[in-house]
Amino acid sequence: SYELTQPPSMSVSPGQTARITCSGDALPNQYAYWYQQKTGQAPVLMIYLDSERPSGIPERFSGSTSGTTATLTINGVQAEDEAAYYCQSTDSSGTYVMFGGGTKLTVL
Amino acid sequence: QVQLKQWGAGLLKPSETLSLTCAVYGGSFSSLYWTWIRQSPGEGLEWIGEINHIGNTNYNPSLKSRVTISVDTSKKQFSLRLTSMTAADTGVYYCVRGAMPVPGTFGGFDSWGQGTLVTVSS
Repeated sequence: SYELTQPPSMSVSPGQTARITCSGDALPNQYAYWYQQKTGQAPVLMIYLDSERPSGIPERFSGSTSGTTATLTINGVQAEDEAAYYCQSTDSSGTYVMFGGGTKLTVL
Repeated sequence: QVQLKQWGAGLLKPSETLSLTCAVYGGSFSSLYWTWIRQSPGEGLEWIGEINHIGNTNYNPSLKSRVTISVDTSKKQFSLRLTSMTAADTGVYYCVRGAMPVPGTFGGFDSWGQGTLVTVSS
């Protein structure tokens, strides 16, 4: 079955850049989306259509794709960015929604 | 500003049926996909399925045999029914709006309900 693969965890110091990757065979043909989920809260859409940022999302969050890998980049990480981040896309047919397993970002 | 508010029973016994309903306040109900997503304790997100305003559905293949999603456009509500519940179905269930910034182009899940904790236990 089709999967999206993310690293389970990563840590970064405040002010540094975090790059969270998401790998999937259908990503060259399907858009990637990214969500932030803080403990006890519902997820929040951070990036859509690979690289678009919804209104209200800080400019330090950006998205990109290259081949089978989508990347969420957080420039100048802040303590408030500590959360789980999930990538999302669809299968090659575009019918079925898939989520990556999530990456827990720790701000040291 | 769209708001999604959901309700339904949160404690079920094995083999019982889960029923949740979600009401949409504000924004359009048409030309969008209305979705259910769940999250097991300490785990990731799992897409259950979706429905549009005219009743077209797509379901997660792993749950398809047990899931029904329905819509009441007049009330701006949509519902989830999941049969034969087991402990593995325990988790938080969210109703979610699938945005469409351009007709025909999915724009991500941009509005989420408050979530319902569903526990399956004998």
